[in-house]
Amino acid sequence: GQQLNQSPQSMFIQEGEDVSMNCTSSSIFNTWLWYKQEPGEGPVLLIALYKAGELTSNGRLTAQFGITRKDSFLNISASIPSDVGIYFCAGPGPTGGGADGLTFGKGTHLIIQP
Amino acid sequence: GAVVSQHPSWVICKSGTSVKIECRSLDFQATTMFWYRQFPKQSLMLMATSNEGSKATYEQGVEKDKFLINHASLTLSTLTVTSAHPEDSSFYICSEAGLSYNEQFFGPGTRLTVL
Repeated sequence: GQQLNQSPQSMFIQEGEDVSMNCTSSSIFNTWLWYKQEPGEGPVLLIALYKAGELTSNGRLTAQFGITRKDSFLNISASIPSDVGIYFCAGPGPTGGGADGLTFGKGTHLIIQP
Repeated sequence: GAVVSQHPSWVICKSGTSVKIECRSLDFQATTMFWYRQFPKQSLMLMATSNEGSKATYEQGVEKDKFLINHASLTLSTLTVTSAHPEDSSFYICSEAGLSYNEQFFGPGTRLTVL
């Protein structure tokens, strides 16, 4: 199946700093999704991207769909304590087994120091 | 986005018993729902697609006889872990597709611990 390489694996930043994370794939995606997961909860959809080159914002979050359709990045500006969590990129199938759900990156764990 | 609930939120069971987890769509009818599994400090892995009124489609390596999926109505999918063993301990999360099929909205997850 497809694989998504997400980096960095973790980030330790100061409150107020900007954050940038990215996701790359060896195959083309037609949709890129960015989710945030907090401990003990399901992922929450932050931004969905549908067109190559598309740049979309959601409050302090901005994400872009790479021109090659093999990468995407997520930026968070002026981080605040509630931004803490794990951020996942994801894309739709095929996942290799026929179930056609989402393939997830390994996640970026964001930790904010006050 | 869609609203999805799961029940129970956590369950502890003895090895060899079966556990049923429910996933409900609260705001619209979902002909397709998805089941994922997440081990500690790892990403979500798709287990199967649950199709209303038909058989589920399983990912490679997921035993369909061990993880029974039933999607008998447009608002409810269930996952039954049969003869659970400690290695089945995980966080099980369901999702449903939004108006755009490629968007998925997730439930709050069910933490299964098998002793």
